[in-house]
Amino acid sequence: SQTIHQWPATLVQPVGSPLSLECTVEGTSNPNLYWYRQAAGRGLQLLFYSVGIGQISSEVPQNLSASRPQDRQFILSSKKLLLSDSGFYLCAWSVQLGSYGYTFGSGTRLTVV
Amino acid sequence: GDSVTQMEGPVTLSEEAFLTINCTYTATGYPSLFWYVQYPGEGLQLLLKATKADDKGSNKGFEATYRKETTSFHLEKGSVQVSDSAVYFCALNPNAGGTSYGKLTFGQGTILTVHP
Repeated sequence: SQTIHQWPATLVQPVGSPLSLECTVEGTSNPNLYWYRQAAGRGLQLLFYSVGIGQISSEVPQNLSASRPQDRQFILSSKKLLLSDSGFYLCAWSVQLGSYGYTFGSGTRLTVV
Repeated sequence: GDSVTQMEGPVTLSEEAFLTINCTYTATGYPSLFWYVQYPGEGLQLLLKATKADDKGSNKGFEATYRKETTSFHLEKGSVQVSDSAVYFCALNPNAGGTSYGKLTFGQGTILTVHP
């Protein structure tokens, strides 16, 4: 069966420090991968998605970047965190085609202080 | 463009009450529709889905029927429990079955609180 792992679960970082969040998927190949942020409140903001290795699409200009160095690995990064980067970050995967939804990771709670 | 609109929350109910969370959508073509649930501090979990008009998705006592004529996918449960307290998201895949890469459009979420 397919599983998705996301870590760390919680992170407290000072302003100006770098960030690296990792997401890996097991049990499938060539998935679509997504990074979402859920800020104060409950809405979901799509940050990045990827349909293949090295292919990254950005939905919203951010202080963040994403990379996909391997088929089932998706990394969210920042060189210098801002206070406004605080939030709950969710990774998700889906199959390439078809009427399927997403499977989400358990999320990372990031607090920038 | 494609969009999903959910009823404003929060929704507060007593245990065993009937639940309806409204969801309407705008999309071209024939989207697939989904309900996700997010328990406190966790990621989103797929609750149910429907892939074509008149389909009924169901899971854990929750149901939703894909109504193309009213572009709606309302979530219902006959008797809620305290453990159903969570945030519920309606979502659509706008190009199901086509060449889309499966990017979902989410509603803003509805907070449900169930009291004993």
